[in-house]
Parts: sequence; structure tokens; C-alpha cells
Amino acid sequence: DAGITQSPRYKITETGRQVTLMCHQTWSHSYMFWYRQDLGHGLRLIYYSAAADITDKGEVPDGYVVSRSKTENFPLTLESATRSQTSVYFCASTDRVSVTEAFFGQGTRLTVV
Amino acid sequence: KQEVTQIPAALSVPEGENLVLNCSFTDSAIYNLQWFRQDPGKGLTSLLLIQSSQREQTSGRLNASLDKSSGRSTLYIAASQPGDSATYLCAHYGGSQGNLIFGKGTKLSVKP
Repeated sequence: DAGITQSPRYKITETGRQVTLMCHQTWSHSYMFWYRQDLGHGLRLIYYSAAADITDKGEVPDGYVVSRSKTENFPLTLESATRSQTSVYFCASTDRVSVTEAFFGQGTRLTVV
Repeated sequence: KQEVTQIPAALSVPEGENLVLNCSFTDSAIYNLQWFRQDPGKGLTSLLLIQSSQREQTSGRLNASLDKSSGRSTLYIAASQPGDSATYLCAHYGGSQGNLIFGKGTKLSVKP
């Protein structure tokens, strides 16, 4: 299926555990992003990637790690989950920043207990 | 710091009414502005993208306008329907990383 997909859709994990959220896009878009959405804060950028093997921090990167070995995949890892990382995570992609539309995945609702 | 503001935060209207959602931004040098729709528990669906060289963009019952000089965009929804109930977000590219900067959204409820 064409588009951008995230997995899992829902995840409950314990404090201190490592968890990886997956993001896959089929368009070969150059740019990919991870956002988190929280009440009162809106959407905030965690990490972004301009191409395979090129990643950089966003507004709220602490406690997260990303990689991008292939253009189509952009996994987000919480190295040691904390309750403050309970949130809804969205992955997005676009072909040309500032020119083309951005498309978002359906989100992963993560609960850290 | 670049900011995007959406007013009102919530809006309830009867079915059939025409309505306007507002978005204001502090960066007058934006490249484009995008409107999204978000249904509860769902992802963001792109509605309209307005390039900085355009003044407006239309898709069906939706019309979005952009006035960079005043730092404002509006989303006009004609003949609203209960299915239009959702949260509407506006965003523009402006971050140094090329990411979208979002408003906090307007939650629209259209009553039958």
C-alpha cells in the first residue's frame, strides 16, 4: 500500500525499557520527521532526516535516538522509557521541504507505566 | 521564536453554516502554509497547501487564503456537515530544520 505507515499503533511499556517505533514510507521522499503530540503543547519536532544517513535533532530530542539506513524507513527508539514520554508519536515525510505537502502516518499511542 | 496561533480553540456550529477558521503566524517570510484535519485518535490528513506565491487554494467546499503581509491565513468551509467535525491545524515551514511549525488547532463540532 502506498503511503506512510507506523507500527505499532498502540504500545504500553514499562519505565526503563527500550522501545522502537517504526515508520515506513513508499514514496521515496527525502525528508522524514518524528513529532510528538501532547495536550497543551501541540506537535513538537523530535528528530528529522534529510536523506539516508543524515539525521538531526529537533525541539525535544532528549531520550530519543533515530537512524535512517534506508530512505523508506525512519525508526525512533526510546532508549530508556520514562513516563514523560507517554504521548502520541507521528511520523511524516515530504519530498521537498518548503515546497511540497507533508504527509503524516496514523500515529503511535505510547503509554509508559 | 516563530509561532502559529489558531483562534478560536473550539467552535460549535449548526449544520449548513458557512464558517471561517483563523490562523496567524509571526514569520512573514514563510514559504507556504498547509492546513490539516485530525479526527480523534487519527493521524493528520492534508487538506490544502498554499504556496507563498499564491493567495488562495480551493478543494471542494474548502477554500484557504494566505496573506503573508498580515501574517494570516483563513480556512473557509462552505455548507458545513457533521462529517466536518474534527480538529483543524495550520502549519508552515519555517524551522531551521525545514520542519512544520504547528498551531494548536481549532476543534470544530458541526451539530445536525
